[in-house]
Amino acid sequence: DIQMTQSPSTLSASVGDRVAITCRASQSISRSLAWYQQKPGKAPKVLIYKASSLESGVPSRFSGSGSGTQFTLTISSLQPDDFATYYCQQYNSYSWTFGQGTKVEIK
Amino acid sequence: QVQLVQSGAEVKNPGASVKVSCKASGYTFIDYYIHWVRQAPGQGLEWMGRINPKRGGRDYAKNFQGRVTLTSDTSISTAYMELSSLSSDDSLVYYCARESGRSGDDYFDFWGQGTLVSVSS
Repeated sequence: DIQMTQSPSTLSASVGDRVAITCRASQSISRSLAWYQQKPGKAPKVLIYKASSLESGVPSRFSGSGSGTQFTLTISSLQPDDFATYYCQQYNSYSWTFGQGTKVEIK
Repeated sequence: QVQLVQSGAEVKNPGASVKVSCKASGYTFIDYYIHWVRQAPGQGLEWMGRINPKRGGRDYAKNFQGRVTLTSDTSISTAYMELSSLSSDDSLVYYCARESGRSGDDYFDFWGQGTLVSVSS
């Protein structure tokens, strides 16, 4: 199975900061990667698919990059609504696995 | 608008089975795969399997093969996940999610609200 490793596990930041979360796959997944945001007690919400495509309705401050085994989610200017946990997910070759999550906390 | 509405919380004894439903609306049910994902409170997400409502085909994660059964009833646009031989390790939140219809991009674009399953004697 393809393993997904995110870093950092926790990130402390302030409103307005630029933040980046990385995700590494245990083998190449081309660009078959999505990013999700999850808030306490709620289901995940997709932000990015195909590594860098913004899902409809998602603010443009979110962006994704990468291919193969290394991927990054960037929030250009952190907003109060962005404090949440973020997960990467690979969907290559009919298997689906998630990273362990990155919690973005208020500094 | 697309909605996936799941059944309510369940309390089960160890060794029992649980069946969670996921009712879809706002789109053509048979045209999209439905996936099931589970999550421990404050922990990561674990994929369990998916079903093709149109053809009935299923894919299961290795960790759950033999213990989980996915079904669907196209007449009422509802998918089901049944998990057997429950233990305390199965006390988690279970989500259904719709697979995107974008060709080659099998991410999950809509999710149910989650169903808490508690296993306790």
